[in-house]
Order: sequence, then C-alpha cells, then structure tokens
Amino acid sequence: QQKVQQSPESLSVPEGGMASLNCTSSDRNFQYFWWYRQHSGEGPKALMSIFSDGDKKEGRFTAHLNKASLHVSLHIRDSQPSDSALYFCAARGSALGRLHFGAGTQLIVIP
Amino acid sequence: DPKIIQKPKYLVAVTGSEKILICEQYLGHNAMYWYRQSAKKPLEFMFSYSYQKLMDNQTASSRFQPQSSKKNHLDLQITALKPDDSATYFCASSQVFGGSYEQYFGPGTRLTVL
Repeated sequence: QQKVQQSPESLSVPEGGMASLNCTSSDRNFQYFWWYRQHSGEGPKALMSIFSDGDKKEGRFTAHLNKASLHVSLHIRDSQPSDSALYFCAARGSALGRLHFGAGTQLIVIP
Repeated sequence: DPKIIQKPKYLVAVTGSEKILICEQYLGHNAMYWYRQSAKKPLEFMFSYSYQKLMDNQTASSRFQPQSSKKNHLDLQITALKPDDSATYFCASSQVFGGSYEQYFGPGTRLTVL
C-alpha cells in the first residue's frame, strides 16, 4: 500500500496562473515532508521542505502542512513554462532514512 | 560540476546477465541511498547506507547488492537480470542519515533489460 498519495495526476495551468498540488500520507510516523521537482531526463531535485504545521513561502512557491490531517500542499503562483515538470511529494519518519514518494503530479504550464 | 556522478547514463543488458551501476558523490555526505523509478511504480526506495554500513534494505531480492568501497561510493550490482528490472536507478546522498536532512539525487542510470 502506497503511503503517500498525490493529486491530481496531471495539471495544466496558463502562464501566470496558480498551480495547486496536493499530497496526503497515511503514516502518522511521518515527520518530514519535501516537494521534489523532476524535469525530463534528470534526477529529482528538492524544491521545498516543510516540517511544521502552517505555511512556508519561498519566492513563488508556498507549501502548507497540516499534520493532524497528514495533508501537504504546494502552491505555485505566477506559473512559468519552466515550471513544467513532474512534482513529487516525499515523506520520512524520524528513525529511518528512506523517503516515501507519491506517484507524482505532471504540471504543464501553457504559454 | 556535477556533485553526484552516476555511470553509465544508459545501459542495455540481456536477460540473465549481470551489471554494475556506479555512483560517486562529491558533497562530503555520510549517507547514500539507491532508488528505482519505473513506469509502473513511483520512486521506490531500495537501500540506505550510513558511513558505509547498510542501514535499511527494502529490496526483497538478493539479486540486488550494493557495494561501498569508499565513503563516497555506493555501487549497485544486479545479477540474473530480468526484463522487470528495466527502470531508471537513482543514487542519492544526504549529509547525515535520516532526520530532516535533504536527499540530493544523481542524474540516474536508465537500465533496459531485453
């Protein structure tokens, strides 16, 4: 059973628009959450981390964590064509090093 | 300069053969990991090492054997290759094992088993 679920599977937004990605986990041992971005032919690259309840903003990107509901979201404002990529939510507990990844959201920003 | 090197970039093998995937990191990290990404499954954890010691193993098959000859090396040997092993294999590293430390991923080795 996959412990991290992402939605939607794919998302198209116009350039300059807002993209919202969602992630829900089923393991209450998870304490650390990341959003990774993967461009075609490359390895995943960490975009943002969030460990505490509430919002975390870095430039055009805002992550939100609600530990009670095990829900994480990522909002990208003023989306750019270069934001087009596969976005993964990843989670980890405190004891082990393994990251649990969701299946990903394919974001397409239309110029 | 790339900080995590994976070799080769592409690899084609025949069923039943053996291959070694190379990973070197130059980030000064003490923990290294292997993940697999295929069309059928999302990024899937395989192994983790800390100071060259195996910490966690999610791979059920003994056909997959990590090898750590140096602190910054973690190679992956795969024996008796099967078509289902076709995937992109990513090496990753973090400063410290576990906790809140970010994992940095290499560019991957795409393996195709015919």
